[in-house]
Amino acid sequence: KQEVTQIPAALSVPEGENLVLNCSFTDSAIYNLQWFRQDPGKGLTSLLLIQSSQREQTSGRLNASLDKSSGRSTLYIAASQPGDSATYLCAVRYSGNTPLVFGKGTRLSVIA
Amino acid sequence: SQTIHQWPATLVQPVGSPLSLECTVEGTSNPNLYWYRQAAGRGLQLLFYSVGIGQISSEVPQNLSASRPQDRQFILSSKKLLLSDSGFYLCAWSRTARNEKLFFGSGTQLSVL
Repeated sequence: KQEVTQIPAALSVPEGENLVLNCSFTDSAIYNLQWFRQDPGKGLTSLLLIQSSQREQTSGRLNASLDKSSGRSTLYIAASQPGDSATYLCAVRYSGNTPLVFGKGTRLSVIA
Repeated sequence: SQTIHQWPATLVQPVGSPLSLECTVEGTSNPNLYWYRQAAGRGLQLLFYSVGIGQISSEVPQNLSASRPQDRQFILSSKKLLLSDSGFYLCAWSRTARNEKLFFGSGTQLSVL
């Protein structure tokens, strides 16, 4: 069964700290991987999309990496701010014909 | 630019009542459209997706149905709601190409009482 796992389920850090969120997937033959942010009671906002041929993508203070051989992706957030507090979800497309498979997310709290 | 509209934002319905949630996309044509449900502690579950008008694929058997009467309109329906239908429903779209990002609406919080 193709699954996506995110550990930890929740994370609390002080403001200004650099942090890493983890995502693991069960099949290394993925098509692409996407990171999302979700604020409470809101929809998901796409942050970064990494194609299978890429190793990382960057947007501002965010950097997402992809290591297919180990079945892992990380989302690195530099100089965290209270406004970064949200749930971050990882989603994998295992083939071009299948919909995204989502992890359950990591709930991040950045404390001022 | 493209936008996605989903309504209503919240809905409280009695068990056995019908349901209709609507989603529309603006600024693009022939999008792929999706309905997801998010339940507490269970992550996002794909319910339906559509690659074109009248084309609906169901991922999970249940008492919900979806329709796509127009290119940029996606409707989630039920004839009789169950308590287990409560949850946060999200509509999403992507371009036809499979390597494109997925964009979500703001969601509908449905409570079935």
